[in-house]
Amino acid sequence: GESVGLHLPTLSVQEGDNSIINCAYSNSASDYFIWYKQESGKGPQFIIDIRSNMDKRQGQRVTVLLNKTVKHLSLQIAATQPGDSAVYFCAENEGFKTIFGAGTRLFVKA
Amino acid sequence: KAGVTQTPRYLIKTRGQQVTLSCSPISGHRSVSWYQQTPGQGLQFLFEYFSETQRNKGNFPGRFSGRQFSNSRSEMNVSTLELGDSALYLCASSSLAGGDSEQFFGPGTRLTVL
Repeated sequence: GESVGLHLPTLSVQEGDNSIINCAYSNSASDYFIWYKQESGKGPQFIIDIRSNMDKRQGQRVTVLLNKTVKHLSLQIAATQPGDSAVYFCAENEGFKTIFGAGTRLFVKA
Repeated sequence: KAGVTQTPRYLIKTRGQQVTLSCSPISGHRSVSWYQQTPGQGLQFLFEYFSETQRNKGNFPGRFSGRQFSNSRSEMNVSTLELGDSALYLCASSSLAGGDSEQFFGPGTRLTVL
C-alpha cells in the first residue's frame, strides 16, 4: 500500500484494549474538529466530529474529547480491533480551511 | 450513493509538463476541496470550490489551479511540474462550504514526477 507518512508517531495496542490518540491543534478560534482514519491505499474516512461548544461526543466504539483550554483533542477507541489499524488524523476548521494534523499510526496486535 | 471518484488513479509525468486531475463529488454535494499528501508534509489544503467559485486557497504557488463545473465536478491543474510535486492528490466533497461539515474523500491520484 501507499505510505502516508514515514515517521509518524506510532501507537501499538493489544487487540481488545482501549486506544487513545492525542492531538494538539493550533488555532484557538477553530470551532469544528474532525477525526479521520486512513488505511493504506485509501483516502481519509470520517470517524467522528465535535464542535467547540461541546467537550465530549460519543459514537460507536469511539469518543472524542475536546479541551479548549489547552487546545487538545483526543480520540478514544474502545475494544480496539485489527481492522482499526490505520493512520488517524485530527483536523480543525480554521477560517474555512481544514487543517490536518500530522497523523498517528495505530498498530493493533492480535 | 456513489462515493467520490478521482481519475486517473496513477500518473507519471516529467518535469516541466502539466497535468490535470479530475474529481467527481458525491451527488448533491456542491463543495469540493483538494489536498496534497506527502510523507514529509502530510495532508495540506490546496483549495476549495463551492458552486463553481473558489472559496479558499492554501499556501501553494500559482502553478496549482483548479475549477469547478456546473455539475460540481472539479478539475485541478498543475503546470510546469517539479519533482517536489510528486504526491497523492486527494479530493473531498461535502454538502456545506468552508470545511464546516464531514468531508468525503476519494481514493486519490498518485502523481509521480520524474
